Amino acid sequence: DTAVSQTPKYLVTQMGNDKSIKCEQNLGHDTMYWYKQDSKKFLKIMFSYNNKELIINETVPNRFSPKSPDKAHLNLHINSLELGDSAVYFCASSFSKPGGYTFGSGTRLTVV
Amino acid sequence: QQQVKQSPQSLIVQKGGISIINCAYENTAFDYFPWYQQFPGKGPALLIAIRPDVSEKKEGRFTISFNKSAKQFSLHIMDSQPGDSATYFCAASGSNYKLTFGKGTLLTVNP
Repeated sequence: DTAVSQTPKYLVTQMGNDKSIKCEQNLGHDTMYWYKQDSKKFLKIMFSYNNKELIINETVPNRFSPKSPDKAHLNLHINSLELGDSAVYFCASSFSKPGGYTFGSGTRLTVV
Repeated sequence: QQQVKQSPQSLIVQKGGISIINCAYENTAFDYFPWYQQFPGKGPALLIAIRPDVSEKKEGRFTISFNKSAKQFSLHIMDSQPGDSATYFCAASGSNYKLTFGKGTLLTVNP
């Protein structure tokens, strides 16, 4: 039973398209995150939601818009995709206290 | 500004050897220091973590050493095995629970 599941696992799309990535967690966590991992493996936080409220919004282009319909789900919509958006996007979740995150298996986005 | 600096970038160790990865942080408000292990095609997985009130934590073959005054912490993998070959990330967080990651270390353990 997957704890943090992301769909799709792979996404290949053309420049200028709009795409969405979905994430769901069944751990009862109250905080969810989106991280971007670039080609050099660097992990950078993009957004965080706590109980459906946006609490972290790093310097990310406005083309990226997260949505959290409830505390178990966090989606990421990307408009007007660019070549530089190609990366692996990870969803993660945790409790809102010091402790480890549980990561999903990632969505590899390739913009051609 | 890179708040968590990790070294080395890559590491090759013989089976049975000790792997050591180091991290340094700048923000004194950080109070939670985890290490993550990532295999190709998978998400990072929590390996071991430490808080600044202790100087060392051991779980099996994995040990974190923490030096609060130097703002440094390190991961030691004893008796390294080929199955330990992965990318390792140190991280740190403070009151906002946002994890800031180091740039990662690619560990290769040769049989």
